[in-house]
Amino acid sequence: EIVLTQSPATLSLSPGERATLSCRASQSVTTSLAWFQQKPGQAPRLLIYGASNRATGIPARFSGSGSGTDFTLTISSLEPEDFAVYYCQQRSNWITFGQGTRLEIK
Amino acid sequence: QVQLVQSGAEVKKPGSSVKVSCKASGGTFRNYPINWVRQAPGQGLEWMGGIIPVFDSPNYAQKYDGRLTITTDESTSTAYMELNSLTSEDTAVYYCARDGNYFDASGPLPFEHWGQGTLVAVSS
Repeated sequence: EIVLTQSPATLSLSPGERATLSCRASQSVTTSLAWFQQKPGQAPRLLIYGASNRATGIPARFSGSGSGTDFTLTISSLEPEDFAVYYCQQRSNWITFGQGTRLEIK
Repeated sequence: QVQLVQSGAEVKKPGSSVKVSCKASGGTFRNYPINWVRQAPGQGLEWMGGIIPVFDSPNYAQKYDGRLTITTDESTSTAYMELNSLTSEDTAVYYCARDGNYFDASGPLPFEHWGQGTLVAVSS
């Protein structure tokens, strides 16, 4: 099983700041990596697929990068609605999720 | 407009089974893979298994093999997840999540649409 390790566990930032979230895979997943956002009481929402492609309707402030084992989700300038939990997911070998990064307001 | 509508909350006894449904609208049902994901209280997301209706061949995470059954009914555009031998550790919100069209040239978008979630509580 491919293990995804997200860091940091919690990120405290202010609106307008830049957020950088990391996801590291235990073995290469090439670019078969997606990012999801989940707000309390809601289902997750697809943000990024194929490591760097924004899903339909996702604002341009969200960007993804990386390949192989190291991936990054960047939010260029945080809006109040961006504070949530973010999960990475690989589907190179079955499907697994990272444990999540909680992005909270500082 | 794609919608995935799941069945309502369930309370189950340990040792029993639960069957959750996920009715899809929008697109040709058979061409869109359906996955099941669960989330225990305060915890992260866990993929349980999935199925591509046109092939009717489910895949299960090793953890659930033997205890989980995923099926579809094309006549009603509904997917089902049945979990047996429930314990308190199965208390969670269960989500269905649909990929994009499996036959898209660039490959299906992963988990593009989600159901609203179904709470399953296991308690004696």
